[in-house]
Amino acid sequence: GEDVEQSLFLSVREGDSSVINCTYTDSSSTYLYWYKQEPGAGLQLLTYIFSNMDMKQDQRLTVLLNKKDKHLSLRIADTQTGDSAIYFCAESIGGSQGNLIFGKGTKLSVKP
Amino acid sequence: GAVVSQHPSWVICKSGTSVKIECRSLDFQATTMFWYRQFPKQSLMLMATSNEGSKATYEQGVEKDKFLINHASLTLSTLTVTSAHPEDSSFYICSARYMGAGTPYEQYFGPGTRLTVT
Repeated sequence: GEDVEQSLFLSVREGDSSVINCTYTDSSSTYLYWYKQEPGAGLQLLTYIFSNMDMKQDQRLTVLLNKKDKHLSLRIADTQTGDSAIYFCAESIGGSQGNLIFGKGTKLSVKP
Repeated sequence: GAVVSQHPSWVICKSGTSVKIECRSLDFQATTMFWYRQFPKQSLMLMATSNEGSKATYEQGVEKDKFLINHASLTLSTLTVTSAHPEDSSFYICSARYMGAGTPYEQYFGPGTRLTVT
């Protein structure tokens, strides 16, 4: 079945780069997403990548996709305290519903 | 654009009562809405997929008679937790699929509803 795995915690210092990693099992994934959840709030879409792409950059965010290894990463450059949140990796498994399968989330803590 | 609201944002109810949660797409029409449940420090668990004008599709293990979903219009879906019990206490999040988004499967999420059953 489909499964998405993430490390649970990451702690960085303000100004450093953060790299959040994710692995998935379904090779038929069409799109992969990164969502951000702040405490007590819903999920905010940060960025996505199509499965035939290797990299996508959007301001401070860089997404790398290694389709062979089914590995996705999100790099946040110049991490700020406002970036502290839980980051979810998700894959869409296609088909008519295109439901999203989420990882458990990585809690990013940014220390001043 | 693509804003989703939920109401109420939090609710406390007594065991045995029913609670209705609304999910609205404010500036777009959503043919498909999703209901998730999130336990503390855990991921989102998809409960059901709701298509406008038809019956919801429930995930395995989710009781359809307990979690009633109605998607009567292209901008509104409701989740009713019937005969709530303390174990139903959780954070319920809805999302809506926006067909004009960057990807065909992109979902926009509501802010969530915290349900506490006493």
